[in-house]
Amino acid sequence: GEDVEQSLFLSVREGDSSVINCTYTDSSSTYLYWYKQEPGAGLQLLTYIFSNMDMKQDQRLTVLLNKKDKHLSLRIADTQTGDSAIYFCAENLRGRRALTFGSGTRLQVQP
Amino acid sequence: DTAVSQTPKYLVTQMGNDKSIKCEQNLGHDTMYWYKQDSKKFLKIMFSYNNKELIINETVPNRFSPKSPDKAHLNLHINSLELGDSAVYFCASSQEDRGAAEAFFGQGTRLTVV
Repeated sequence: GEDVEQSLFLSVREGDSSVINCTYTDSSSTYLYWYKQEPGAGLQLLTYIFSNMDMKQDQRLTVLLNKKDKHLSLRIADTQTGDSAIYFCAENLRGRRALTFGSGTRLQVQP
Repeated sequence: DTAVSQTPKYLVTQMGNDKSIKCEQNLGHDTMYWYKQDSKKFLKIMFSYNNKELIINETVPNRFSPKSPDKAHLNLHINSLELGDSAVYFCASSQEDRGAAEAFFGQGTRLTVV
């Protein structure tokens, strides 16, 4: 199957860390991605991780991948009000030239 | 320079009309896509073209016809528009011989059918 699931909403205070979780069902995924969508805008690629990696860090962003549980998470350190957006995880299945997206998690950052 | 550009940004039209959305990418990518985002923000692939050739058609009604005149352009033509076609349509592109195949998205076209 190609289901990718995320919780719909997360609210944090400015300066706290945010953790957005995602589960997927297809273990043949080659790459897993995190995209950010601000209101009225397109999708911006934040980061991606290759399926044979456990962790990837990029400035304030940390991606953790647990292949056994098919669980992906995005941690945003020192969350800012500008981080308020919808975050989508996505997978790029081997041999398939398109992304399958999760339902998106709306992150609300309170001052 | 806009990497992936779509026109128009907003489109309001009546049921039964035919409309087109244009997409152009200046990244030199060989693969382009159309995605549909519904009112609940769910994103689904509709079509994928590689070097002007259709490679994915995700059970989209045949009222939707993509056209790729060259690998930098992928236009979406919709016939006999229905209320349920109202959504935001995103064009994207990627280069398939790069491992991660990062997709770059346009700003979206908000289609409202009345």
